[in-house]
Amino acid sequence: EAGVAQSPRYKIIEKRQSVAFWCNPISGHATLYWYQQILGQGPKLLIQFQNNGVVDDSQLPKDRFSAERLKGVDSTLKIQPAKLEDSAVYLCASTLTESLNTEAFFGQGTRLTVV
Amino acid sequence: QQQVKQSPQSLIVQKGGISIINCAYENTAFDYFPWYQQFPGKGPALLIAIRPDVSEKKEGRFTISFNKSAKQFSLHIMDSQPGDSATYFCAAVNSGGGADGLTFGKGTHLIIQP
Repeated sequence: EAGVAQSPRYKIIEKRQSVAFWCNPISGHATLYWYQQILGQGPKLLIQFQNNGVVDDSQLPKDRFSAERLKGVDSTLKIQPAKLEDSAVYLCASTLTESLNTEAFFGQGTRLTVV
Repeated sequence: QQQVKQSPQSLIVQKGGISIINCAYENTAFDYFPWYQQFPGKGPALLIAIRPDVSEKKEGRFTISFNKSAKQFSLHIMDSQPGDSATYFCAAVNSGGGADGLTFGKGTHLIIQP
């Protein structure tokens, strides 16, 4: 079974530029998460999708961050314009069912550096 | 507001010893408590998980102890090995859906000394 795929693995941009990350969850997984993990901290939930609908985006900085999950499969997370404090690893995770007490599978993440 | 509090931030244990990491939560809607292990450059991976209808779950050298009344749970790693050196995150989730999705603690950096 293929895992959660994320791209790119690394990205370096200047502040005020825009960037997009892509995630392809495990086939058939209904729930998809985007997390931000700042160095030395735990993952912070940005947005949670169930199929193609947003369940929770309360911690997403909507003035600069946006995410979509068209057709309930893969997802993109965009930052525009980026700030220095956005430097982090962006993790995508998915779970099989809409019931959340199942294992979440994580991708390797995209490491973003904003200079 | 930090919904899941984890301690210690870092931990050094001798090989063969017991590693203990503690977590506490406030939201009584949480009903599933997984622990994740993360190696450098990798995403977190599920290690072991517990539901609040049991007080303990053991898988090999890893044990979760759960105290529902105190809203606390802990991970015990018995006979700790150098390969266990990693960052460990406790987490909590409301499996009923909606908000209260998978919420992580800040992590414990565990080093097992040979």
